[in-house]
Amino acid sequence: GESVGLHLPTLSVQEGDNSIINCAYSNSASDYFIWYKQESGKGPQFIIDIRSNMDKRQGQRVTVLLNKTVKHLSLQIAATQPGDSAVYFCAERAVNFGNEKLTFGTGTRLTIIP
Amino acid sequence: NAGVTQTPKFQVLKTGQSMTLQCAQDMNHNSMYWYRQDPGMGLRLIYYSASEGTTDKGEVPNGYNVSRLNKREFSLRLESAAPSQTSVYFCASKLSFGEQFFGPGTRLTVL
Repeated sequence: GESVGLHLPTLSVQEGDNSIINCAYSNSASDYFIWYKQESGKGPQFIIDIRSNMDKRQGQRVTVLLNKTVKHLSLQIAATQPGDSAVYFCAERAVNFGNEKLTFGTGTRLTIIP
Repeated sequence: NAGVTQTPKFQVLKTGQSMTLQCAQDMNHNSMYWYRQDPGMGLRLIYYSASEGTTDKGEVPNGYNVSRLNKREFSLRLESAAPSQTSVYFCASKLSFGEQFFGPGTRLTVL
């Protein structure tokens, strides 16, 4: 079946350093990938997305890289801040007969060390 | 805009009791979703509504029913709660394109 997985369940990074969170996906038909951030006690919050026809997309302090050859997605956060501490989820989207299906990974907990 | 709101924030039920989780969005979104989130697992789709007047099953629909009351509101009902339904429930909405916006969640415990 389809799955989206994360290589590391936890990641600790020194404040100010860069962090990289990885994600593997298995559905080659997925056309859209999203990264969400979830802070404790809150709902997931959209960070950045990328379409399958792109390799890289940059936002404010965040960059998403997509390698379709190995079905790998990564989220880079530059100059991390304490507020970046959260669980980060990747999600892949597939559309079947007009219905969208999002498959979420289990999440990586990022902890920023002051 | 309040975005996506959910009520209640917390709920404790006894096995066999029923309850309805409420969700509303004020962004004029067409599609709405109900997910559950369990420890060590990604969000799993329970039901969704692609547009007002339509609902469809997701990955884990057993034990749940939904109602798309109008464009703004999408409720999730547990007719006879079971301990396996202890979870955090999230509602989300989106336009026909773009990302889903999530509510703050309802933490449900079934004893």
